[in-house]
Amino acid sequence: SQELEQSPQSLIVQEGKNLTINCTSSKTLYGLYWYKQKYGEGLIFLMMLQKGGEEKSHEKITAKLDEKKQQSSLHITASQPSHAGIYLCGAEGKSGAGSYQLTFGKGTKLSVIP
Amino acid sequence: EAGVTQSPTHLIKTRGQQVTLRCSPISGHTSVYWYQQALGLGLQFLLWYDEGEERNRGNFPPRFSGRQFPNYSSELNVNALELEDSALYLCASSFQGEETQYFGPGTRLLVL
Repeated sequence: SQELEQSPQSLIVQEGKNLTINCTSSKTLYGLYWYKQKYGEGLIFLMMLQKGGEEKSHEKITAKLDEKKQQSSLHITASQPSHAGIYLCGAEGKSGAGSYQLTFGKGTKLSVIP
Repeated sequence: EAGVTQSPTHLIKTRGQQVTLRCSPISGHTSVYWYQQALGLGLQFLLWYDEGEERNRGNFPPRFSGRQFPNYSSELNVNALELEDSALYLCASSFQGEETQYFGPGTRLLVL
């Protein structure tokens, strides 16, 4: 089955600093999602990447999917306290039996110090 | 320790019908979240239950409803099914006050 490994597990940065979160898959990614998790609000969809080499940006957050489609990075520029939370990557793939599978990483907890 | 379980795994319904999906959280977890993932889209937050009460709701019509039982298991009900309700419905649970959510395997609903 497909596994997603996120790094780092937790991150503390000073406000205004840039940061990167990585998500590595054990298998080729057919669709890679980035979510932000906030207590009581569930998962907030950030971006979806499907094509190798694809890059998407939303406000100060940029996500990339590498050419081989096995790793994605989430980059936050000039971090703000509002960026704090848990970031999860999720992926669509196929199980050994060929059926659709949805897998999540364990998350990266981001703290931003004012 | 058993993880989050959901039933059924797959379901086929026709337009206008009603459906009930079930979720059992990890033992000790009191919060249950419901999400919808339509094909090609990200997860959309549906509902959050904690200690038997609905705490928050996503941007979905009232025909999406649910409840949480005293044993913290939960049901998601969808009335008057529409074709666009075809999706994977995921349930997640967490300890009260904690952010980390643990996901179930999902229920795949097909509306014909």
